[in-house]
Amino acid sequence: QSVLTQSPSVSGAPGQRVTISCTGSSSNIGAGYEVHWYQQLPGAAPKLLIYGDIHRPSGVPDRFSGSKSGTSASLAITGLQADDEADYYCQSYDSSLSDVVFGGGTKLTVL
Amino acid sequence: EVQLVESGGDLVQPGGSLRLSCAASGFTFSRYWMSWVRQAPGKGLEWVANIKQDGSEKHYVASVKGRFTISRDNAKNSLSLQMNSLKAEDTAIYYCARDTLRSCGGECSSFDYWGQGALATVSS
Repeated sequence: QSVLTQSPSVSGAPGQRVTISCTGSSSNIGAGYEVHWYQQLPGAAPKLLIYGDIHRPSGVPDRFSGSKSGTSASLAITGLQADDEADYYCQSYDSSLSDVVFGGGTKLTVL
Repeated sequence: EVQLVESGGDLVQPGGSLRLSCAASGFTFSRYWMSWVRQAPGKGLEWVANIKQDGSEKHYVASVKGRFTISRDNAKNSLSLQMNSLKAEDTAIYYCARDTLRSCGGECSSFDYWGQGALATVSS
């Protein structure tokens, strides 16, 4: 079981806004460690979407945004498009495990 | 253009060994921590190991400690993962990933470039 918990799936219609949550604890997100988000399209390697809680790498549309509060973080996607259909993973560091940790992933379906 | 190209994936019997390699180009390899991240078939991502810029620090997930060894050759811009005593549960696509250039290493790890992955299958 992942120490970062994500809902297995989320869905939305084109043009809508969806949020994907990542719930941790006082030894990871709650301890102030940064949260990063990745998008993995079917059959492809993961791609960095958000780093340092809120920052977008060059080339990532501003439809994607990150936030963090307490022991949780969220990824919001606005103006949903068909090619946003993918798996999304959060990632941080856990001081109890002394490990880099990933969430279990959330599958986004665009209806 | 940053490129990471893995090689060495294969089918190996339980208890066997495999060595994965990652050829890096398009950036100053020696400035970055580097990591291996794996993904079992149909499963999520799991960080496996990372190594500091000069190779002086190495960290591993508990499930591979004592069996896997990460190493790097900055002169050849290459990263390796030696996997021994392989188990069926090690079957996965192994990705080479560029990690942070900050000194905080794993505590601030994020992966901005990934290779295409190498498939390691452990089965009799």
